[in-house]
Amino acid sequence: GQNIDQPTEMTATEGAIVQINCTYQTSGFNGLFWYQQHAGEAPTFLSYNVLDGLEEKGRFSSFLSRSKGYSYLLLKELQMKDSASYLCAASGTYKYIFGTGTRLKVLA
Amino acid sequence: GAGVSQTPSNKVTEKGKYVELRCDPISGHTALYWYRQSLGQGPEFLIYFQGTGAADDSGLPNDRFFAVRPEGSVSTLKIQRTERGDSAVYLCASSSTGTNTEAFFGQGTRLTVV
Repeated sequence: GQNIDQPTEMTATEGAIVQINCTYQTSGFNGLFWYQQHAGEAPTFLSYNVLDGLEEKGRFSSFLSRSKGYSYLLLKELQMKDSASYLCAASGTYKYIFGTGTRLKVLA
Repeated sequence: GAGVSQTPSNKVTEKGKYVELRCDPISGHTALYWYRQSLGQGPEFLIYFQGTGAADDSGLPNDRFFAVRPEGSVSTLKIQRTERGDSAVYLCASSSTGTNTEAFFGQGTRLTVV
């Protein structure tokens, strides 16, 4: 079957670091995407991992372990504008399978 | 266009009516996807087009739902005999070739069936 698991909610303080975990099971796995979605808006692309390891992009980094079916998104130097839902998506042959999203609240 | 465009942005319809939702993908993108998103949930896959053909329609919930992409660009999602449970945000996305590249999402059509 196909399944994506990620925590429903997380809370962190402005300036801190937060790690959002994602585990996945999907057939025909190509790679792992992370998207950010603010309330009432469309998802926007953050990162893509196809090989094992860490990809760094400014304040955001993403990690993938294909053998463990595991990924995480690391957000550093949190800002209030980072309050949003973070969607983990595993890409297969024909589609992206999304998790339910992790709602991150950044507190002042 | 510069991004994925969806029309209308909002649609309110009565139970039992027929609706069409339109998606204009990024120019040159061959892959087009329809997703449905309910409040507090992630996007749920409906259908994937590669060019003009539906390569995977396994996510369409039943035969009331149908989608076309006749010229390999604009796509229309059609819902017959709408039900209250069809109320959701319908998202369209396109990518340049397929799932090995990122998908770009439109703003969605919020469908409300009353």
